[in-house]
Amino acid sequence: EVQLVESGGDLVQPGGSLRLSCSASGFSFSSNWMHWVRQVPGKGLVWVSRINSDGSGTTYADSVKGRFTISRDNAKNTLYLQMNSLRVEDTAVYYCASEYWGGPASPFNVWGQGTMVTVSS
Amino acid sequence: DIVMTQSPDSLAVSLGERATINCKSSQSVLHSSNSKNYLGWYRQKPGQPPKLLIYWASTRESGVPDRFSGSGSGTDFTLTISSLQAEDVAVYYCQQYYTVPYTFGQGTKLQIK
Repeated sequence: EVQLVESGGDLVQPGGSLRLSCSASGFSFSSNWMHWVRQVPGKGLVWVSRINSDGSGTTYADSVKGRFTISRDNAKNTLYLQMNSLRVEDTAVYYCASEYWGGPASPFNVWGQGTMVTVSS
Repeated sequence: DIVMTQSPDSLAVSLGERATINCKSSQSVLHSSNSKNYLGWYRQKPGQPPKLLIYWASTRESGVPDRFSGSGSGTDFTLTISSLQAEDVAVYYCQQYYTVPYTFGQGTKLQIK
């Protein structure tokens, strides 16, 4: 079964750090460009970051640039998002998603169930 | 960034009737090299992640019922549900994957009248 499973979401204080993980199975993870997308509960989808298949190229939304780092371990079929200097406005459900046909410039055909990050004092 | 604007924000349609959702991009997502529109539609039910319905603006994803169809080109796109079923109640999003950031529309909430 094609699957993405996120973990690592938690309650953290402003200024704190958190690392999200996304474990992939059932497809060729190492061939696919991967993304993080976030969603404030009850609100819309917001793209956060992208990484190419071998991890050599990354792109970020302006709102997280310099604070978040996307990475991957293809040997472990796992995608990561290191989140530093967290702000209240980073509170959201974080989804990992895989591009169709590997990528780039493809829609997202596989999504995880999401992990909740809450930034609050 | 390409801004995606959907209309309406919410929509109530009777069972068996047609539902139409529009999506407009702030710049063309039609790639001249392959004449493809880099536009997808997703459905998100409560408590679930988004699910891809349509890509290349009009190609139905495998397993998606044929009552769902997409149309449009350049900057103006439409998702049509020909005969609304109860299980279609959800929020629908368009997304451009022409260039990063891969922006989404704000979503259209579809309900039963």
